[in-house]
Amino acid sequence: GAVVSQHPSRVICKSGTSVKIECRSLDFQATTMFWYRQFPKQSLMLMATSNEGSKATYEQGVEKDKFLINHASLTLSTLTVTSAHPEDSSFYICSARRGAGAFFGQGTRLTVV
Amino acid sequence: QKEVEQNSGPLSVPEGAIASLNCTYSDRGSQSFFWYRQYSGKSPELIMSIYSNGDKEDGRFTAQLNKASQYVSLLIRDSQPSDSATYLCAVNKYSGGSNYKLTFGKGTLLTVNP
Repeated sequence: GAVVSQHPSRVICKSGTSVKIECRSLDFQATTMFWYRQFPKQSLMLMATSNEGSKATYEQGVEKDKFLINHASLTLSTLTVTSAHPEDSSFYICSARRGAGAFFGQGTRLTVV
Repeated sequence: QKEVEQNSGPLSVPEGAIASLNCTYSDRGSQSFFWYRQYSGKSPELIMSIYSNGDKEDGRFTAQLNKASQYVSLLIRDSQPSDSATYLCAVNKYSGGSNYKLTFGKGTLLTVNP
């Protein structure tokens, strides 16, 4: 299957700082990538759809100024959590569209202390 | 009505049995359907895709699609303890312009007992 690499896999940061998460499609070009958040024992929640060369489309209730998404190339999308707070601690997962389906990165476990 | 519905489980089956996972969806125009497996603390991995009515088999996995009933299922034959995970049903939905997005169900937790 297609390979999507997400980095870092785990990060701990102090409250008020910003964290950048990278998502790369390694063996295909992805014009569309998705960012999800998943709290423990809960389902995946789509945060935003990232399209290469254009602004991301955010789901209702997701603050675009807090979760900055950049999709500057066909193989890289980044999610920056700005001014992180403990309630932002979660498992963040990216996926890249290939054909009708999508392949997921390994996920990033963010802990804000 | 939720867009994609799954029984949250847990579904418990003995090793070697057939596990049957079900999913219904609300958008009659949906064209593509996927099953993902997610182990605890890990990200989802794609195990099956299906686009046409009927059955699609891949090893121990069989996906079944019935568009008239808006129903998709996943059968796992000869279940193994390593199959214990949450299984997510996903449906491709048109979201405007030339964009489609995958809508996920909440997942069914499967436990295979040795």
